[in-house]
Amino acid sequence: GNSVTQMEGPVTLSEEAFLTINCTYTATGYPSLFWYVQYPGEGLQLLLKATKADDKGSNKGFEATYRKETTSFHLEKGSVQVSDSAVYFCALSGTNAGKSTFGDGTTLTVKP
Amino acid sequence: EAGVAQSPRYKIIEKRQSVAFWCNPISGHATLYWYQQILGQGPKLLIQFQNNGVVDDSQLPKDRFSAERLKGVDSTLKIQPAKLEDSAVYLCASSLVPYEQYFGPGTRLTVT
Repeated sequence: GNSVTQMEGPVTLSEEAFLTINCTYTATGYPSLFWYVQYPGEGLQLLLKATKADDKGSNKGFEATYRKETTSFHLEKGSVQVSDSAVYFCALSGTNAGKSTFGDGTTLTVKP
Repeated sequence: EAGVAQSPRYKIIEKRQSVAFWCNPISGHATLYWYQQILGQGPKLLIQFQNNGVVDDSQLPKDRFSAERLKGVDSTLKIQPAKLEDSAVYLCASSLVPYEQYFGPGTRLTVT
């Protein structure tokens, strides 16, 4: 079956540091890949997505590239802010790839 | 546009009691999802509807959980009877673009 593995947290960074959150997946077919973010006290929000190999999703300074050869979709940001503190979830889904599957989330705390 | 609405936001029940959750998706979104999120884990898909038809319910514990989506709009998720391990946040999401999901605030269920 499908599965998503995220790097374990929590991750604590200083403001303006570089962020990488690793995500690897196992799936049948050709899934679309997503990063969702959950800010404190709020619901899950779509952050970015990529629908095919080599696509790069980007939003709010975050980027992730769909790497089929390494089955990865790592989230990166060049300079994090305190307001980026949240839980980040990697997910996959798609018509030909089975049901939506989420990772267990990675908690990011950014300190000033 | 209005987001995904869920009610109630919180519910505390005793084991063996029944409970129902309600979801109103974003207008025009044909696909509706119910997830269970246990503390410290990612959301787990329980059931996915396309209009009022079930696309996937492979992870729905059908001996105690049921869901319906009448007229392809609102949906209800019911648990009867509840067990201690059902304590979780129940998330509803909807999508227009396949699998690009918009989440509601969730219902936090505590079973005592």
